[in-house]
Amino acid sequence: DTGVSQNPRHKITKRGQNVTFRCDPISEHNRLYWYRQTLGQGPEFLTYFQNEAQLEKSRLLSDRFSAERPKGSFSTLEIQRTEQGDSAMYLCASSPRVKREIYNEQFFGPGTRLTVL
Amino acid sequence: AQSVTQLGSHVSVSEGALVLLRCNYSSSVPPYLFWYVQYPNQGLQLLLKYTSAATLVKGINGFEAEFKKSETSFHLTKPSAHMSDAAEYFCAVSASGTYKYIFGTGTRLKVLA
Repeated sequence: DTGVSQNPRHKITKRGQNVTFRCDPISEHNRLYWYRQTLGQGPEFLTYFQNEAQLEKSRLLSDRFSAERPKGSFSTLEIQRTEQGDSAMYLCASSPRVKREIYNEQFFGPGTRLTVL
Repeated sequence: AQSVTQLGSHVSVSEGALVLLRCNYSSSVPPYLFWYVQYPNQGLQLLLKYTSAATLVKGINGFEAEFKKSETSFHLTKPSAHMSDAAEYFCAVSASGTYKYIFGTGTRLKVLA
């Protein structure tokens, strides 16, 4: 399978615990995105990487959230001191670099569903 | 700034009937528009995209959408619904020079036998 992969697919944790999610983008895709999707809503942008550089962060990304993409390959999203409001589906997407920057088509992974008890 | 409005959070159609899912956008620059489908507990799959070429865009699974600048719309249609089309559908907008998508709130399609 050469698509975007995310692990784990499901995570249940207690309030106050730290959690970390991993995203492996499609090989050679230099851009990587994180979105959060709550029940009944569309995905909301969290942050974006071009190679290893984090170029944009949403205001939704509080200080408890941190994302990294070492060496421009896989990415991790960590949530510290989880709260019940963090319960959501966390989606990762990647897109290739194209010669003419007309638009970027994002390819989404299956998501990690977080439940905070 | 861009935004997307999807009218109708739930749509029900009979099997074999026309599917029409509505999407209106707002964008201060020429937009790029996308329709994605999401099945339960899965990620998003691209159905089709508008990238300023043809205004009538054909996608996978028999879906198509028409970009109407005057109406700021990008409605999704399929002539004949199939049971397997039952899913949630999201419209998204992006713009040249920006990399994030702005999604609508989604429309859940139910297909009745």
